[in-house]
Amino acid sequence: EPEVTQTPSHQVTQMGQEVILRCVPISNHLYFYWYRQILGQKVEFLVSFYNNEISEKSEIFDDQFSVERPDGSNFTLKIRSTKLEDSAMYFCASIGIYNTGELFFGEGSRLTVL
Amino acid sequence: KNEVEQSPQNLTAQEGEFITINCSYSVGISALHWLQQHPGGGIVSLFMLSSGKKKHGRLIATINIQEKHSSLHITASHPRDSAVYICAVAPREKLTFGTGTRLTIIP
Repeated sequence: EPEVTQTPSHQVTQMGQEVILRCVPISNHLYFYWYRQILGQKVEFLVSFYNNEISEKSEIFDDQFSVERPDGSNFTLKIRSTKLEDSAMYFCASIGIYNTGELFFGEGSRLTVL
Repeated sequence: KNEVEQSPQNLTAQEGEFITINCSYSVGISALHWLQQHPGGGIVSLFMLSSGKKKHGRLIATINIQEKHSSLHITASHPRDSAVYICAVAPREKLTFGTGTRLTIIP
């Protein structure tokens, strides 16, 4: 069964460092999303991406965050200068070509900022 | 007030019991999702509903658009059903998530 894959599964970084989280969506999917979940809290929307541009973003997604799809397969989330409060599980998700609405999630990347 | 409210927050039941998890929302939506989050953190989509009822194996999801309410039912529950079940609603593209219901099924 096709799946969304995310790397790394866990990253530990120092505050102020740049982090790039990578996602490989299912190959024929067109809509991509990043969500995050701070430990013990609910999942929160960060950004949606379609046709090589951001289609919607939350108030969390400030200038420190960026997304891109550099090579037609990878979908990356970059945090330029990490803060302690960026520690969370980050989930990538995608929706298929016919946009049935069913979301396919990756296993998540756990980011720990020290 | 949260846009998505789930109840109960925690539920412990014996294997074989019929389980119901409820979700109420306060915004207009185009769809409602039920998701399952495993202890390791991974999220799996169970259902996407815009009306009526869907069934997949032992899982049944219903939605009442007028009442802004959805339920997830599990028949003949099993310990492997133990997980956090999350309701999320889609007013537009961005999903708004509930806090989840932690379900524990005891053998």
